[in-house]
Amino acid sequence: DQQVKQNSPSLSVQEGRISILNCDYTNSMFDYFLWYKKYPAEGPTFLISISSIKDKNEDGRFTVFLNKSAKHLSLHIVPSQPGDSAVYFCAASRQGAQKLVFGQGTRLTINP
Amino acid sequence: DTGVSQNPRHKITKRGQNVTFRCDPISEHNRLYWYRQTLGQGPEFLTYFQNEAQLEKSRLLSDRFSAERPKGSFSTLEIQRTEQGDSAMYLCASTPQAPGMGTQYFGPGTRLTVL
Repeated sequence: DQQVKQNSPSLSVQEGRISILNCDYTNSMFDYFLWYKKYPAEGPTFLISISSIKDKNEDGRFTVFLNKSAKHLSLHIVPSQPGDSAVYFCAASRQGAQKLVFGQGTRLTINP
Repeated sequence: DTGVSQNPRHKITKRGQNVTFRCDPISEHNRLYWYRQTLGQGPEFLTYFQNEAQLEKSRLLSDRFSAERPKGSFSTLEIQRTEQGDSAMYLCASTPQAPGMGTQYFGPGTRLTVL
């Protein structure tokens, strides 16, 4: 039972344009959501998070949007840079639980 | 470097052998987690410690797996009688104590290959 889903295995974007990565979840008990970035042979690096009491959180070039009614979140990167090329994972957790539940990841490639 | 560290970074072993991995969390982080990641998948939760107490274990953690955090600082994950299906990246993460939610900070992982 995949509670967090990233339906796009890969995404290719031109440098300077906006990258939009999507994530869907099924468990309505989730109330905290995170995005991680992963380079090959490295551990996931935390990017940005959002609590369910908000619908948007922004940090520099990164913005996360949360649509609770649709159980959907997205990560916007603008402008996209070559160094953004990596695998991006969304993750979710719920109050009182410690574990993060991850999606399968989306490989983002930024083309010059 | 004050991040999460893991050793070794790579381990190649033969089926049936025992292996042990070590994780040193960020200083003063009292919560420590182990995850496993296989190719094409996101990390999957294995187990979690608060200080030295192991508070949750996933069903993925079979009897061949054991984790310890004896002094509430570093942790070890041991796999006995390894199988080829154990080949994966084993990730450790830590987080400071906080009410409710928290961001987990990951180490670089240990890649295990079972031949």
